Amino acid sequence: QVHLVQSGAEVKKPGSSVKVSCKASGGSFSSFIISWVRQAPGQGLEWMGGIIPTSGTTVYTQKFQGRVTITADEYTNTAYMEVRSLRSEDTAVYYCARELVGATNWFDPWGQGTLVTVSS
Amino acid sequence: SSELTQPPSVSVSPGQTARITCSADALPRQYGHWYQQRPGQAPILIIYKDTERPSGIPERFSGSTSGTTVTLTISGVQAEDEADYYCQSADSSGTLVFGGGTKLTVL
Repeated sequence: QVHLVQSGAEVKKPGSSVKVSCKASGGSFSSFIISWVRQAPGQGLEWMGGIIPTSGTTVYTQKFQGRVTITADEYTNTAYMEVRSLRSEDTAVYYCARELVGATNWFDPWGQGTLVTVSS
Repeated sequence: SSELTQPPSVSVSPGQTARITCSADALPRQYGHWYQQRPGQAPILIIYKDTERPSGIPERFSGSTSGTTVTLTISGVQAEDEADYYCQSADSSGTLVFGGGTKLTVL
């Protein structure tokens, strides 16, 4: 059974960067797509983008293109999501999830989430 | 703004049936999926491909589809079902999108 474990909470200053990790176990990482989903305080879920670890192919939503970078390390079964030029609006819980392919892709399972707080 | 429209809230008494709808023009051509998110927890998948239920999800959770609407039905609602529920699909460009979420209150 696939299990995703994320890195711990972060507090960052505006203008800085944050890199969140997501380590997979219990499955073949090389066959995964790993996606990242953001949830601002009291708000809904927002898909940011994803990566195919075997090829390094990434896709980002327009909102996050250029400011977010998703990478993966097949040797450690770990995916990473970096956000640069942080602003207060980036304060959110960031989730990684395995994206399953099937006409309309879906997410299962999810990591436990990483709270990123941006504050001066 | 979300392209999937859900009611902000639904309230039911224990033992009753809760129905949560999710509407979008793209749904006749795309599958809908559903997630449950309890307070302070990560979402979990409860329905995929409109009607399929992952192993371990109670049978009281079911999904259906009709035209531009997918519906999550919870039969015999229990107190532990109180949570936020999100539908998810894809828009016309293939971007994965979520509904705004529905807060289920068990009275």
